[in-house]
Amino acid sequence: RKEVEQDPGPFNVPEGATVAFNCTYSNSASQSFFWYRQDCRKEPKLLMSVYSSGNEDGRFTAQLNRASQYISLLIRDSKLSDSATYLCVVKSDSNYQLIWGAGTKLIIKP
Amino acid sequence: SQTIHQWPATLVQPVGSPLSLECTVEGTSNPNLYWYRQAAGRGLQLLFYSVGIGQISSEVPQNLSASRPQDRQFILSSKKLLLSDSGFYLCAWKLAETQYFGPGTRLLVL
Repeated sequence: RKEVEQDPGPFNVPEGATVAFNCTYSNSASQSFFWYRQDCRKEPKLLMSVYSSGNEDGRFTAQLNRASQYISLLIRDSKLSDSATYLCVVKSDSNYQLIWGAGTKLIIKP
Repeated sequence: SQTIHQWPATLVQPVGSPLSLECTVEGTSNPNLYWYRQAAGRGLQLLFYSVGIGQISSEVPQNLSASRPQDRQFILSSKKLLLSDSGFYLCAWKLAETQYFGPGTRLLVL
């Protein structure tokens, strides 16, 4: 089993819709969780950290479910500019290494 | 503000040729630096990290090596490239829990 798993997609979603995707992780001792966004042929950029209590940043909501070992990302009122690959990242119990998912590709259509 | 530079942006090399990719960081001192590789459709794979000048930790045994000759310079090298070395190479530095990436080098080995 991979340490961090994501549905590769693509998710084809009409503009204005709400879309959600999950990421599962295998190490129950994982400490920190993040969502990064990667545009085509570009470097990843931090979208948001995921806190135990869940957190929201504008149209984006991230949630953590420790019991089931997954994190989720919800995007409301999706925009064309949201089209990208969303990478789930989990920090292992060692203090330096981040484990990266392969990403979920999202395509927002007009 | 901190900036991270990588060059070249794109590289096409024959099998068996040497490689040298350079990464430099501006606006910070003594950063933790990382080299990642992203194969098509895959997550980021950590290759090397460095916590200071001359200090290199290797995560994946392979025909690549890294060096940190100066505080803000990180170099990825190979004496003889393999076809499997093709990929998107990303240099990153870390601030708190967040990693910031350079623009990357897309390497194609033919």
